[in-house]
Amino acid sequence: DTAVSQTPKYLVTQMGNDKSIKCEQNLGHDTMYWYKQDSKKFLKIMFSYNNKELIINETVPNRFSPKSPDKAHLNLHINSLELGDSAVYFCASSQQGSGNTIYFGEGSWLTVV
Amino acid sequence: GNSVTQMEGPVTLSEEAFLTINCTYTATGYPSLFWYVQYPGEGLQLLLKATKADDKGSNKGFEATYRKETTSFHLEKGSVQVSDSAVYFCALSVDNDMRFGAGTRLTVKP
Repeated sequence: DTAVSQTPKYLVTQMGNDKSIKCEQNLGHDTMYWYKQDSKKFLKIMFSYNNKELIINETVPNRFSPKSPDKAHLNLHINSLELGDSAVYFCASSQQGSGNTIYFGEGSWLTVV
Repeated sequence: GNSVTQMEGPVTLSEEAFLTINCTYTATGYPSLFWYVQYPGEGLQLLLKATKADDKGSNKGFEATYRKETTSFHLEKGSVQVSDSAVYFCALSVDNDMRFGAGTRLTVKP
């Protein structure tokens, strides 16, 4: 059983399109995250939700909109895709508490052409 | 703010060599510290962690000690294998805010 699963794993799309990446965790965690990893492997937090409420919202273009319908899901919607959005997007989850491990999904490889 | 600085790569070693990847941190509050590993084409996996000063995390022959006095959490392994080739990330967590270092790519040659 996959603990944190995200779909699709690969996505190639044209500039200007709108796309969504879905994420689900079956670990019973109360906190979920979206991270972006660029081509140099640099990992940057984008959003964090705790019990469906947004708690971290880094400087991210407002074309990116997270949605958490329940504690087990955190989807990422991206409007008007740009070339610079090409990256790997990782969903993750944890139980609230600084010492708790964050568990990552396998990543969604987004390529904007 | 909270941040992690780790040594830049890439690091290339021969099999059975000793590995050290340096990591230092800045944090408001009392962080927990982690090392994650990312194998090619995969997500990040927890390698080890330490939640308080002087704790030593260890796993698969890797270890790191939480040093509050030097704000460091250096990763070490006595004898690396080809299968250890991956990108290693140091991270800290304070109040559900987890920050990662830039990652260090390790290549181990036979």
